[in-house]
Amino acid sequence: DTEVTQTPKHLVMGMTNKKSLKCEQHMGHRAMYWYKQKAKKPPELMFVYSYEKLSINESVPSRFSPECPNSSLLNLHLHALQPEDSALYLCASSRLLQQRANEKLFFGSGTQLSVL
Amino acid sequence: SQQGEEDPQALSIQEGENATMNCSYKTSINNLQWYRQNSGRGLVHLILIRSNEREKHSGRLRVTLDTSKKSSSLLITASRAADTASYFCATDGRDDKIIFGKGTRLHILP
Repeated sequence: DTEVTQTPKHLVMGMTNKKSLKCEQHMGHRAMYWYKQKAKKPPELMFVYSYEKLSINESVPSRFSPECPNSSLLNLHLHALQPEDSALYLCASSRLLQQRANEKLFFGSGTQLSVL
Repeated sequence: SQQGEEDPQALSIQEGENATMNCSYKTSINNLQWYRQNSGRGLVHLILIRSNEREKHSGRLRVTLDTSKKSSSLLITASRAADTASYFCATDGRDDKIIFGKGTRLHILP
C-alpha cells in the first residue's frame, strides 16, 4: 500500500466553525507533513512530524493545530479560519525525516478548503 | 524562502513532441527532486538526483543536473495528453526542509 489517504476531499466552513482534516498512511513512514497550496503556487510547508513528535512549525497561526495520534495518522484541526486560508491542504509522508532532500515525499490528494 | 525556480512558467507543445523544463537554484544542494501535480491533486514524485550525479533516466523522463550552473532540467520525450500537469523541482533548504520551486505548467495539445 503506497497511498496517503486524506479526508474530506472538499470542505466548506464558516469563520466560526471548527473542523478537522485527516490523513492516514500505512507505509510505515515515520515523517508526516502538512502543506498549504494556493492556486498556481508551489506547496508551502506548514508542519512536520517525526516519530509522532512535532519537528517543524513554520510559524503557522494558532488557528491551525496539528496532531499526530500515532505513526499512521495525522490531523489538522481548524478553528476560526479566515477567507484567505482557503487553499488546497496536502498531507505527505516520507520514510524518515528529510536530510538534505534525500527522502521521497508521498502525497495525498488533498483537501480543497473554502472558508466563507 | 524560494530555492528553485522553474523555467518556463508555462509550456504548450503538440502531443508527441519533447518537453523540456528547467530549474535553477541559488545555493549549493545535496539532492534535487522533481514532482508532477495534476490539477487539484497531490504531487507525485518523479526522480531524485544527487549532487554527484549528472544524469538520470526513468522511462520517458530524463533529468540532468549541472551543479556548476546551479541548474537542472527535466526532459519528457514523446509527450502524451496524460503528461499535462504542473512540474516542480524541489531542493534542500535549511533545517532539513524541502523547498519547492514555482513550477512549470505543461499543456500537451492533441
